[in-house]
Amino acid sequence: DGGITQSPKYLFRKEGQNVTLSCEQNLNHDAMYWYRQDPGQGLRLIYYSQIVNDFQKGDIAEGYSVSREKKESFPLTVTSAQKNPTAFYLCASSGGGVQETQYFGPGTRLLVL
Amino acid sequence: AQSVSQHNHHVILSEAASLELGCNYSYGGTVNLFWYVQYPGQHLQLLLKYFSGDPLVKGIKGFEAEFIKSKFSFNLRKPSVQWSDTAEYFCAVNAWGTGFQKLVFGTGTRLLVSP
Repeated sequence: DGGITQSPKYLFRKEGQNVTLSCEQNLNHDAMYWYRQDPGQGLRLIYYSQIVNDFQKGDIAEGYSVSREKKESFPLTVTSAQKNPTAFYLCASSGGGVQETQYFGPGTRLLVL
Repeated sequence: AQSVSQHNHHVILSEAASLELGCNYSYGGTVNLFWYVQYPGQHLQLLLKYFSGDPLVKGIKGFEAEFIKSKFSFNLRKPSVQWSDTAEYFCAVNAWGTGFQKLVFGTGTRLLVSP
């Protein structure tokens, strides 16, 4: 069953804590993306990766970090430097070409305690 | 920088009414255009996309969209909505100049269809 999995579904963060959101895909896609979704603001790009061992900052990268050590995995760390982390986080993947469709995971909702 | 505007933030319709959701983008070059939908509790999924050719594109579930280059618009339409169309709809654009797919999304339109 091909697709994108994200875990956990809900995540709670304490002040000053780093947390890592998992994203795995078995679609053999080269490109992977992380978006943040806030009510009334749509999806905003945090980081993207075109290929293994390479990634680029998106529009709102401050306070976040990523790694791309394996083709199928693209974890996102929300650091303590992110002052407003409460949001819905979506991971996506695609073949990378400009005409490709991006496929999305189910999302992780991050809440700050 | 590219931007995408969806002017209708909330739309409420009765079943069988016609739907048109507006989408305008700001980029003067070649673009690829997408409409994605997020049904309650489900993944974001592609409704339809435009790359080239016929500016009227048809997607899943009876949706269609028309690309009007002179108006920088890509409006989504459906002649007769159903209760199951209740969802949030996002327009997105990819500019060819990037050489890689990097979508810019609009702020979304929440559609509520009453039975």
